Amino acid sequence: LAKTTQPISMDSYEGQEVNITCSHNNIATNDYITWYQQFPSQGPRFIIQGYKTKVTNEVASLFIPADRKSSTLSLPRVSLSDTAVYYCLVGYTNAGKSTFGDGTTLTVKP
Amino acid sequence: SAVISQKPSRDICQRGTSLTIQCQVDSQVTMMFWYRQQPGQSLTLIATANQGSEATYESGFVIDKFPISRPNLTFSTLTVSNMSPEDSSIYLCSVLQGPYEQYFGPGTRLTVT
Repeated sequence: LAKTTQPISMDSYEGQEVNITCSHNNIATNDYITWYQQFPSQGPRFIIQGYKTKVTNEVASLFIPADRKSSTLSLPRVSLSDTAVYYCLVGYTNAGKSTFGDGTTLTVKP
Repeated sequence: SAVISQKPSRDICQRGTSLTIQCQVDSQVTMMFWYRQQPGQSLTLIATANQGSEATYESGFVIDKFPISRPNLTFSTLTVSNMSPEDSSIYLCSVLQGPYEQYFGPGTRLTVT
């Protein structure tokens, strides 16, 4: 399983764009990259997923370079409610394997 | 996305006893997962539960300690057996929808005294 490395914590201010980068040097051909958000006392929530290049949905963008050894989650114009832990996962979940890394605690300040 | 409920939401148990946690999904799913999350830590996969087959346990987790049932495509249970304070944790179930997207339940907060 590909091991992921993320910053332990990040601080930001309301209205700023936040970029969280995840390193996954050993990503396999079949692996997808998925990001989750977790608030205290809740289960993780799916944010976005991609395989290569760029993916965008209503809450975030995911940038994946050609070598796929890293990925960047981009949150536009964060608010206080975006304060949470963000996890990057790399794997082939359909095969029953999904390993969570340590996550990045994002704190958004007013 | 699937809606997942867990029971109980929290419990305080005596050491040496067992607790069964239920996970109910509002749609049929093939793959379900059970995770443990200790306070301030990331999630650790306990086992994968597919309907109609034995659960597959990750390294460090054994069936005698964490027996799992998966009687149908919408329900699963995880039992934490012969509990010790080290089992105090949040236990979460999740389901797979599509090939790669997981959805999680709210978790069961277990405290063992």
